[in-house]
Amino acid sequence: GAGVSQSPRYKVAKRGQDVALRCDPISGHVSLFWYQQALGQGPEFLTYFQNEAQLDKSGLPSDRFFAERPEGSVSTLKIQRTQQEDSAVYLCASSLWGTGRGEETQYFGPGTRLLVL
Amino acid sequence: KNQVEQSPQSLIILEGKNCTLQCNYTVSPFSNLRWYKQDTGRGPVSLTIMTFSENTKSNGRYTATLDADTKQSSLHITASQLSDSASYICVVKGGYQKVTFGTGTKLQVIP
Repeated sequence: GAGVSQSPRYKVAKRGQDVALRCDPISGHVSLFWYQQALGQGPEFLTYFQNEAQLDKSGLPSDRFFAERPEGSVSTLKIQRTQQEDSAVYLCASSLWGTGRGEETQYFGPGTRLLVL
Repeated sequence: KNQVEQSPQSLIILEGKNCTLQCNYTVSPFSNLRWYKQDTGRGPVSLTIMTFSENTKSNGRYTATLDADTKQSSLHITASQLSDSASYICVVKGGYQKVTFGTGTKLQVIP
């Protein structure tokens, strides 16, 4: 496709349920980012991949959050034992180059809106 | 702690009028600053990017300024249109791919 796609677009989960959010970056993009955006707030960095390597996961709020990109393309963000405070929009972004190319544009997907009841 | 603060939080203007959005940051070291437009229910889209040596950049009716000494940036929108209604987010890149997002300014353009 032409842009970053994410699925599902909306997810309602019961508290304690596990969820998996998928991101399909732009084909050929080396870098992939996950962000969490609470209602009315700017996105907060969660984690960053360069190809299949997870180079920075400092933004993951707890060990219930896990991200992977096993083949360097599609990425999955998994949240275990969801809690109400996990309710947010989860944005995925990709950029063409890896580290050191500070001016590359991040292209964002539409996000997955997660609501935990 | 790296911070990016934006003002105002929200703004309502009449179609055709101009407006200016502000961004103050404390991110260090500084690599670049971007302004993004985020339509409701969509991901952010980059409008402009400026590095340390640039103090103004235009993209159509959008003009961004940067004062790296005072760590301030502004986004000026000229002759606003209804389609400009969105959140405008200031994003500052520091070191190693780390970016800090502001909370955004929600702009509503009314006819």
